[in-house]
Amino acid sequence: GAGVSQSPRYKVAKRGQDVALRCDPISGHVSLFWYQQALGQGPEFLTYFQNEAQLDKSGLPSDRFFAERPEGSVSTLKIQRTQQEDSAVYLCASSFGGRGLNTEAFFGQGTRLTVV
Amino acid sequence: AQKVTQAQTEISVVEKEDVTLDCVYETRDTTYYLFWYKQPPSGELVFLIRRNSFDEQNEISGRYSWNFQKSTSSFNFTITASQVVDSAVYFCALNDYKLSFGAGTTVTVRA
Repeated sequence: GAGVSQSPRYKVAKRGQDVALRCDPISGHVSLFWYQQALGQGPEFLTYFQNEAQLDKSGLPSDRFFAERPEGSVSTLKIQRTQQEDSAVYLCASSFGGRGLNTEAFFGQGTRLTVV
Repeated sequence: AQKVTQAQTEISVVEKEDVTLDCVYETRDTTYYLFWYKQPPSGELVFLIRRNSFDEQNEISGRYSWNFQKSTSSFNFTITASQVVDSAVYFCALNDYKLSFGAGTTVTVRA
């Protein structure tokens, strides 16, 4: 596609429910990032994939968070047993190259997760 | 550890006024890149500009200009002759392959 596509755009989950958020990056982009953006804050890094390899998961807040990119394209961020503090916008970004300092990342519109 | 501080939470201006956004950063790296992103109400982050740590030359691109001063660890961004469409949240970010963002500055341009 022309840009990074995320689905769903909005998700309401009951506390304790599992959710799965999807990211479809720009075709051919090697790198894929997930960020979490709390209300009124800047995005915070969660995890990074280079093709299908998850090279950095240092930002995942707990073992309830799991991400995968099995074929090196579409990625899924899964949150198990959701809690209210998981409410945030989850942003996906992709970039053409690997781990470059000057690489421009292209962002999707995000998935707004609300846990009630 | 990387840290980016945007001290201004909100700025409100009247159309055609200039807007300057402040950004201060901390890093131990000697080579790094700084970015500015814009987040309109639709939600996606839009890349605006980038600057590497070796180039302190200030530049102008259309209505955007930036002032990078390594001595004070500042990377300020100016929108000249603001327009209503410039209303958005603006983020400064430091890149060590993953972005570390500031808290953002909400810019409101009134007609």
